[in-house]
Amino acid sequence: EVQLLESGGGLVQPGESLTLSCAASGFTFSSYTMTWVRQAPGKGLEWVAGVSGSGGSIYSSDAVKGRFTISRDNFQNTLYLQMNSLRAEDTAVYYCARPLCSGDCWSPGYWGQGTLVTVSS
Amino acid sequence: QAVVTQEPSLTVSPGGTVTLTCDSSTGTVTSGHYPYWFQQKPGQAPRTLIYDATNRHSWTPARFSGSLLGGKAALTLSGAQPEDEADYYCLLTYSGARKIFGGGTKLTVL
Repeated sequence: EVQLLESGGGLVQPGESLTLSCAASGFTFSSYTMTWVRQAPGKGLEWVAGVSGSGGSIYSSDAVKGRFTISRDNFQNTLYLQMNSLRAEDTAVYYCARPLCSGDCWSPGYWGQGTLVTVSS
Repeated sequence: QAVVTQEPSLTVSPGGTVTLTCDSSTGTVTSGHYPYWFQQKPGQAPRTLIYDATNRHSWTPARFSGSLLGGKAALTLSGAQPEDEADYYCLLTYSGARKIFGGGTKLTVL
């Protein structure tokens, strides 16, 4: 069974940093791209970043480019999102997601339960 | 950057049929956009319903179907149930791994 468990969310002040983690199990982690998707309170879904199975290809949305970094540890079966220079508009539930197919598939198929990040002074 | 547009809200009667659509500001939505549809209930994570425009996941009830219709991606619910009341989001692929979600449709079963 595919399981994705996010952690690391919390309350931070504007300008601070935070790292989210997503522990994956139930599948061969390195065979799948992985994605972060976020949802601001009461708002829709927003694709944030994706990383290839090897970690060699990374894509980020314009909203977070230069501030957020997606990475992965295929030995620890863990996905990360390093978030720097956080802004109030980054307040959201952050979901970790895996596609339905392995290889060059990037759209979310399986979702974690999310972790809440609140940026406020 | 492209904008993906969905109906903000729709209402369907129990047992009725409703079609949700997903439109792209860049033009016709095609299979090359690999449309996905997700269902999200309050306080829950999204759940994938349809992938690559027309394919149901193993957990997707047969009353949900996806299609390409009139230049848009479409999600049709036939025989709506009370438990189908939820927010529905589409996702389109434009280049490589870059994806854009629609704004979501709030579906009421009433």
